Amino acid sequence: GAVVSQHPSRVICKSGTSVKIECRSLDFQATTMFWYRQFPKQSLMLMATSNEGSKATYEQGVEKDKFLINHASLTLSTLTVTSAHPEDSSFYICSARSNPGLAGNGEQYFGPGTRLTVT
Amino acid sequence: GQNIDQPTEMTATEGAIVQINCTYQTSGFNGLFWYQQHAGEAPTFLSYNVLDGLEEKGRFSSFLSRSKGYSYLLLKELQMKDSASYLCAVTRSGAGSYQLTFGKGTKLSVIP
Repeated sequence: GAVVSQHPSRVICKSGTSVKIECRSLDFQATTMFWYRQFPKQSLMLMATSNEGSKATYEQGVEKDKFLINHASLTLSTLTVTSAHPEDSSFYICSARSNPGLAGNGEQYFGPGTRLTVT
Repeated sequence: GQNIDQPTEMTATEGAIVQINCTYQTSGFNGLFWYQQHAGEAPTFLSYNVLDGLEEKGRFSSFLSRSKGYSYLLLKELQMKDSASYLCAVTRSGAGSYQLTFGKGTKLSVIP
């Protein structure tokens, strides 16, 4: 149980275009979903937290108008990178939190990640 | 703010035991997670500690000392497939209590 999928797994786009990444919890309802970004040899950096039906909360330094998050249901969240630039190239990972989860504290289950390359 | 420190890299021999340390400084500490991440893949959950002491789960054990701001992950009977990055992450109580703040990860290389 507790499987999270992401689509696409890899995407290459041209500078100035927009890319949408989907995150789905397959066998549980996610009360909260999180979006992370990971640059090579760096740790995961939280970009935003989203709860179903409400606006996402963005971390400091993350542009909400550039990284659009839609959390339309308890099983689906999308991240749209608008007007992508080469510096947006990164590994984007979503996670979904169940309640209470196997560890009893609503641990996060991670999707397999999306490798975005902007040329 | 929060500060989480882990060694950058470690090397250990197949069949041996390795301990990966994590120290943290954070206000409103709630709990600590350990995740395993293979290159190019998403992290997978290993353990969760909220109280002081040792949690054992098969070949992996995790320890927490809240007073010292210290945790370690112990891997026994190392296998080649254990070569991965190991991420320490903390959560805080209160608003945003389920947000994870990750350390930079420890890259473990298991050699024959």
